[in-house]
Amino acid sequence: AQSVTQLGSHVSVSEGALVLLRCNYSSSVPPYLFWYVQYPNQGLQLLLKYTTGATLVKGINGFEAEFKKSETSFHLTKPSAHMSDAAEYFCAVSSFLGRLYFGRGTQLTVWP
Amino acid sequence: EAGVTQFPSHSVIEKGQTVTLRCDPISGHDNLYWYRRVMGKEIKFLLHFVKESKQDESGMPNNRFLAERTGGTYSTLKVQPAELEDSGVYFCASSQVARTGGSDTQYFGPGTRLTVL
Repeated sequence: AQSVTQLGSHVSVSEGALVLLRCNYSSSVPPYLFWYVQYPNQGLQLLLKYTTGATLVKGINGFEAEFKKSETSFHLTKPSAHMSDAAEYFCAVSSFLGRLYFGRGTQLTVWP
Repeated sequence: EAGVTQFPSHSVIEKGQTVTLRCDPISGHDNLYWYRRVMGKEIKFLLHFVKESKQDESGMPNNRFLAERTGGTYSTLKVQPAELEDSGVYFCASSQVARTGGSDTQYFGPGTRLTVL
């Protein structure tokens, strides 16, 4: 069975600081991993995904994530936070049929 | 290209009433998913359609929930009768047929916030 744990329901950083959002997963099959972002009053938007191949995945808005099988992790990073990055971020793993299993989400606050 | 749309955006009903949520997926997407987020909890899967057929409805909480996708286009999710614990945000997502299982991107709608009083 698949599951996702996101460490930290709230993360606060200063503008220009490194963003690190943690995600660990459990999967009985080779995982497909996703990061989604939700801005206020909007739907979830895909930031990036890992399916196969290169373990460092680059996404939109300067975000990237690295798949580490030995650590069962898929942490999301951005070198320099921007005020517009303030949102809620969700890590997810999919089943073979496509069903997504989500973590509880991490609310990112960016201070000026 | 229009994204996934959901209607209504908000619904406030009393316990025991009926509510119907609608989702219009991206045109041409065969896969349609429903998810729900109860306050403070993770987003949870409800069910998955492939065209008009239910592929997986293992996440449906109970028989008060009925989902349909007539003609393989839009979908409705009816809650009858609604209970307090049904409150939450209901998301719909769609994707094209995946070449390999589970890797396809799901595109989400903005959600319907349901409040049951």
